[in-house]
Amino acid sequence: GQNIDQPTEMTATEGAIVQINCTYQTSGFNGLFWYQQHAGEAPTFLSYNVLDGLEEKGRFSSFLSRSKGYSYLLLKELQMKDSASYLCAVDGSGNTPLVFGKGTRLSVIA
Amino acid sequence: DAMVIQNPRYQVTQFGKPVTLSCSQTLNHNVMYWYQQKSSQAPKLLFHYYDKDFNNEADTPDNFQSRRPNTSFCFLDIRSPGLGDAAMYLCATSREGAGGRTQYFGPGTRLLVL
Repeated sequence: GQNIDQPTEMTATEGAIVQINCTYQTSGFNGLFWYQQHAGEAPTFLSYNVLDGLEEKGRFSSFLSRSKGYSYLLLKELQMKDSASYLCAVDGSGNTPLVFGKGTRLSVIA
Repeated sequence: DAMVIQNPRYQVTQFGKPVTLSCSQTLNHNVMYWYQQKSSQAPKLLFHYYDKDFNNEADTPDNFQSRRPNTSFCFLDIRSPGLGDAAMYLCATSREGAGGRTQYFGPGTRLLVL
């Protein structure tokens, strides 16, 4: 079976750092994606991890540990515009499409 | 430069009245997906096309159909919309191959059923 867990909601302060965790159990693994989705809009691609370790891209970084079935998205220097849902998605085995988590709704407050 | 285009952005239909949502792409990707997303939920995959091969998810109701007349276009037909079908419908594309199957989403069509 496929299962992806992430916290439902998080709140953080403008300028701070926040870490959004994702754990997964899937029948195979070809990579893990993070998407950002603002309310009423489509998801937009943030990052892709296929090997263990940290991938840094500006204010956003994503970490993967395949042995632990664990990833996190790290957002630095938070801005109000970072208020959105963050979706973790796993690329499983073979031709199975991405499996999405329910998303973590992040609220950035002043 | 829009890459995945969905029309219309908002669609209002009546209970039981057929409706068609459209998606087009300029990425020349071989895979196209349709998702249904309700408020505060993950996108739910309805079906996808791998080239011309149609792949239906086991729990997608028969009420939902799809057509892909060519690489660039894909349609979602809802034959008899119910109140429970009100949702955001997302089209996405990807290119199968090395480097991961990053999906690129269109802006979505928000469907309201009266």
